[in-house]
Amino acid sequence: KAGVTQTPRYLIKTRGQQVTLSCSPISGHRSVSWYQQTPGQGLQFLFEYFSETQRNKGNFPGRFSGRQFSNSRSEMNVSTLELGDSALYLCASSLSARAAYEQYFGPGTRLTVT
Amino acid sequence: QKEVEQNSGPLSVPEGAIASLNCTYSDRGSQSFFWYRQYSGKSPELIMFIYSNGDKEDGRFTAQLNKASQYVSLLIRDSQPSDSATYLCAALEVYNFNKFYFGSGTKLNVKP
Repeated sequence: KAGVTQTPRYLIKTRGQQVTLSCSPISGHRSVSWYQQTPGQGLQFLFEYFSETQRNKGNFPGRFSGRQFSNSRSEMNVSTLELGDSALYLCASSLSARAAYEQYFGPGTRLTVT
Repeated sequence: QKEVEQNSGPLSVPEGAIASLNCTYSDRGSQSFFWYRQYSGKSPELIMFIYSNGDKEDGRFTAQLNKASQYVSLLIRDSQPSDSATYLCAALEVYNFNKFYFGSGTKLNVKP
C-alpha cells in the first residue's frame, strides 16, 4: 500500500507570496492532518480534515487555510508569507477511529521563505 | 494550555543497554498516547501507542502509561546505533477528534 505523499518536497518563496501544498493520504484513510515543524517550536498542529470538513484547528493565524477534496486529498495554503513561516510542513493521514488510532506521516514539504 | 513535556536530551546510552524515554502531560482529558521516532531530515514514524494504564510491549519497545501520574514512557531494550533518533511523545484528546499535542522530542544517541 502506498504511503502518504506530499508535493512539492521543497519550495522557496519570498515574503508576501502565497503557497499551496498538497497531500495525498494512504488509500482508504479519510482523515488528513497538517503540522508545522520548526526547530524552535517543534511539531505544531495546524488543522485536521475529515470527509471534506475541517474538524479541528490549531492556534495559527488565518493566513493558514486548508481544504480536503472528495477523494480525501488535501491542500493547505499560506498567504502573505512571512520569514517565520519557513518550516517543514507535514501531513498525516489516519482511518480516524474514535479511540486510539494510528497516524502516518508523509515526507513533508520543506518551505523556505526569503 | 495543554502541554506534553519531554527532556530534549541528548540521552546517550551504550549499544545493548536499555534506553528510557519519558514524557509528562498536563491535560487529564488526554486519553491515548503515541511514540514516534524521527530520524534527522525525515518525517516521524509511529512506533507504538498506548491508552490503558500499564505496560504494552512490541518487540524491543515497551510503552508504559500511568494516568494518575500523567506520565508516559518508552523503553528500548538492546539499544542499537540505528535507534539513534529523536523520539516524539504525543497525546490525543479522545473528545477532540484527531487533535494531537506533541512534545518537543528527546534526542537519543546509541554509542557502538
